[in-house]
Amino acid sequence: DTAVSQTPKYLVTQMGNDKSIKCEQNLGHDTMYWYKQDSKKFLKIMFSYNNKELIINETVPNRFSPKSPDKAHLNLHINSLELGDSAVYFCASSPRTSGGYNEQFFGPGTRLTVL
Amino acid sequence: SQQGEEDPQALSIQEGENATMNCSYKTSINNLQWYRQNSGRGLVHLILIRSNEREKHSGRLRVTLDTSKKSSSLLITASRAADTASYFCATIDQGAQKLVFGQGTRLTINP
Repeated sequence: DTAVSQTPKYLVTQMGNDKSIKCEQNLGHDTMYWYKQDSKKFLKIMFSYNNKELIINETVPNRFSPKSPDKAHLNLHINSLELGDSAVYFCASSPRTSGGYNEQFFGPGTRLTVL
Repeated sequence: SQQGEEDPQALSIQEGENATMNCSYKTSINNLQWYRQNSGRGLVHLILIRSNEREKHSGRLRVTLDTSKKSSSLLITASRAADTASYFCATIDQGAQKLVFGQGTRLTINP
């Protein structure tokens, strides 16, 4: 029933490990996003995909690699995790290709803790 | 880069009172959106106001936009305990495809 879902909700891992976060939306939207929210609640876009095509790639370390197998899914793989990667990662989706011209629907977030 | 700046950073009021939050931004925008985030949850879209609109209402919410001052305000009337949350403004620039969020206002409604 959930519109935008993410797994896992919590992720605790050691520095240097590789991990993935999965996102799925059942809203039929064309555009999906990954955001990072730091400890000060500052929310910043990382990536955006439209119909499986990358359209926004902010200044994110190349250890972060998004992958969209279809327009309903956008996964985030992170290699060689660092302490500074600890944050809450949100997936979102929006209708059409105009991205932020429309409202965005957010998932519940994945709290990543790197030890 | 951060676009919107919310003011105040934190606001605590009594239930039933009105709450006003302000947002300032720096560039020419296509639209401005307000989102709510309850503790430990994702963001929920509240209202979108386009650059050619000056005021918009949705239930107990009223949003104003002044493009000449590059500012917006969110008014929540007759506040309830359930309104306790962080509120974020977000803008999208003309020709851009991404939302840029401010740092939010943490609103606490005291019963």
